[in-house]
Amino acid sequence: QVQLKETGPDLVQLTQTLSITCTVSGFSLTTYNVHWVRQPPGKGLEWMGAMWNGGGTDYNSAFKSRLSISRDTSKSQVFLKMNSLQTDDTAKYFCARQWDWEGYFDFWGPGTMVTVSS
Amino acid sequence: IQLTQSPSLLSASVGDRVTLSCKGSQNINNYLAWYQQKLGEAPKLLIYNTNSLQTGIPSRFSGSGSGTDYTLTISSLQPEDVATYFCYQYNNGFTFGSGTKLEIK
Repeated sequence: QVQLKETGPDLVQLTQTLSITCTVSGFSLTTYNVHWVRQPPGKGLEWMGAMWNGGGTDYNSAFKSRLSISRDTSKSQVFLKMNSLQTDDTAKYFCARQWDWEGYFDFWGPGTMVTVSS
Repeated sequence: IQLTQSPSLLSASVGDRVTLSCKGSQNINNYLAWYQQKLGEAPKLLIYNTNSLQTGIPSRFSGSGSGTDYTLTISSLQPEDVATYFCYQYNNGFTFGSGTKLEIK
């Protein structure tokens, strides 16, 4: 069955780089797009970016050049890397599968909570 | 496209008919979905393309709307519906609303 799971650090130091891995099963990264969404504690959801099934990427301009998304199709993994972390980057980070060519997400990982510490 | 949800907090009784609103800053062309998020969990897809019910979602949930204005309706509120509900548009980029927190009165 379709599953996604995020793994990453619980704590990252201020100004350092965050790296999170999304490992998927039950579908191919060359067929489906995978997105990253984050949620600060007690707040709403924010779309961060996408890894397209063809290998391209798209980013929320709010993250400017801080964010990078990549993948390893042989390992069924999508990677998020974001640098220059600030305290307001403290959030739960989710990866989610986009259904077919439609833009909505049908499956989500449970998320991983990351705290940026000064 | 920015999405404005109202109300931000809704308190209703079990069995009530509940309506949640989502308004876009531009035409969304029906590319609007609704997600339910319970505390500590990932969002769960309820409705996509304005009014299509996701597999496995109870029929008491329904969606409607067009243009810039969309609605999620729960026909008979159940205790397990306590959650925050987010609308989400995918017509132009990808944007979430700020959420409506639904509680039982």
